[in-house]
Amino acid sequence: DGGITQSPKYLFRKEGQNVTLSCEQNLNHDAMYWYRQDPGQGLRLIYYSQIVNDFQKGDIAEGYSVSREKKESFPLTVTSAQKNPTAFYLCASRLAGSSYEQYFGPGTRLTVT
Amino acid sequence: AQSVTQPDIHITVSEGASLELRCNYSYGATPYLFWYVQSPGQGLQLLLKYFSGDTLVQGIKGFEAEFKRSQSSFNLRKPSVHWSDAAEYFCAVDDRGSTLGRLYFGRGTQLTVWP
Repeated sequence: DGGITQSPKYLFRKEGQNVTLSCEQNLNHDAMYWYRQDPGQGLRLIYYSQIVNDFQKGDIAEGYSVSREKKESFPLTVTSAQKNPTAFYLCASRLAGSSYEQYFGPGTRLTVT
Repeated sequence: AQSVTQPDIHITVSEGASLELRCNYSYGATPYLFWYVQSPGQGLQLLLKYFSGDTLVQGIKGFEAEFKRSQSSFNLRKPSVHWSDAAEYFCAVDDRGSTLGRLYFGRGTQLTVWP
């Protein structure tokens, strides 16, 4: 089955540690996105990538980093510089061009204490 | 910048009652419009989308939405709500003005269904 995989489902880290969230898709989609979700805030865009080896900052990129070395993979690193990293993180992908919706993964809940 | 407003944070309806969730957007042209649904702790599932043409669009799970250009609205409706419809609903607008394909989301409406 085609889809988007995010692992792990739950992640716990100590403050001051970097942590990498995995996102893999086998839909052959060109574009990939990372969102952060907090209660009552909707989804806020962290980073997005249209093609391999290229990505752009979204609205809340500070304290995060990404890479896009392969078309199917778009890992997100939450660095120690992110002041409030505890949140639900969603990865999405879509085909290039217009008129295509985004498909979402199941999400990773990160808790930093 | 584009913005999406969902004025109702939380709506409660009885099972079998009709439902309307409101969505207004701020955009210079006719955008691409989407409604997504999210169950607790899960990802988002597309309910329906509007790109052009007929302003009343049908989606999955018996949902429909109507695009009204004059009101910059894209409200979601369902004639008879089921208990399984309890979830959070997000309206989203596509940045049609660029090829980047990013979405702008509303803050969501939490739907509670009474038995």
